[in-house]
Amino acid sequence: GNSVTQMEGPVTLSEEAFLTINCTYTATGYPSLFWYVQYPGEGLQLLLKATKADDKGSNKGFEATYRKETTSFHLEKGSVQVSDSAVYFCALRGDTGRRALTFGSGTRLQVQP
Amino acid sequence: DGGITQSPKYLFRKEGQNVTLSCEQNLNHDAMYWYRQDPGQGLRLIYYSQIVNDFQKGDIAEGYSVSREKKESFPLTVTSAQKNPTAFYLCASRAGTNLRDTQYFGPGTRLTVL
Repeated sequence: GNSVTQMEGPVTLSEEAFLTINCTYTATGYPSLFWYVQYPGEGLQLLLKATKADDKGSNKGFEATYRKETTSFHLEKGSVQVSDSAVYFCALRGDTGRRALTFGSGTRLQVQP
Repeated sequence: DGGITQSPKYLFRKEGQNVTLSCEQNLNHDAMYWYRQDPGQGLRLIYYSQIVNDFQKGDIAEGYSVSREKKESFPLTVTSAQKNPTAFYLCASRAGTNLRDTQYFGPGTRLTVL
């Protein structure tokens, strides 16, 4: 079945540092890939997505590239802010069957001033 | 203002009681989903519905039930058969017309069993 593995947190960075959160996946066919962000006590918000190999999703300074050869979708940001502190979830949706999302376990990011 | 609403935000239940969580969307989406989130873990799929009057079990459906009588509503009932119901419950919807459609989430309901 489908699965998503992402790096364990928490990740603690100083403001303006470079961020990478690793995400790898296992899936058959051609899944779509997503990054969602969750702020304390809230639901999930879509951060970015990519629907085919070599696509780059980007939003609010965050980027991730769909790499089929390495089955990866790593999240990056060049300069983090305190307001980026949240939990980040990598997810995939398969191209057949129920089309629900399969999530990684989440990575908590803490940015210090 | 389009979106997904979940109510209540916080819910307390005594052991042995059934409780129903509300999820409403005005996005005209066909597909709706219920997920459960436990601390430090990702989301796990409870039930989903791709169209009105039809729904399917997800990965952890035992102890839960749903209905989909209207397109905009997908309530989840947590029954007394659910052994460990304390969790954060998230509802989501997706247009369903395109394989690449994005799934949108509601703000969640935190259920605590006393």
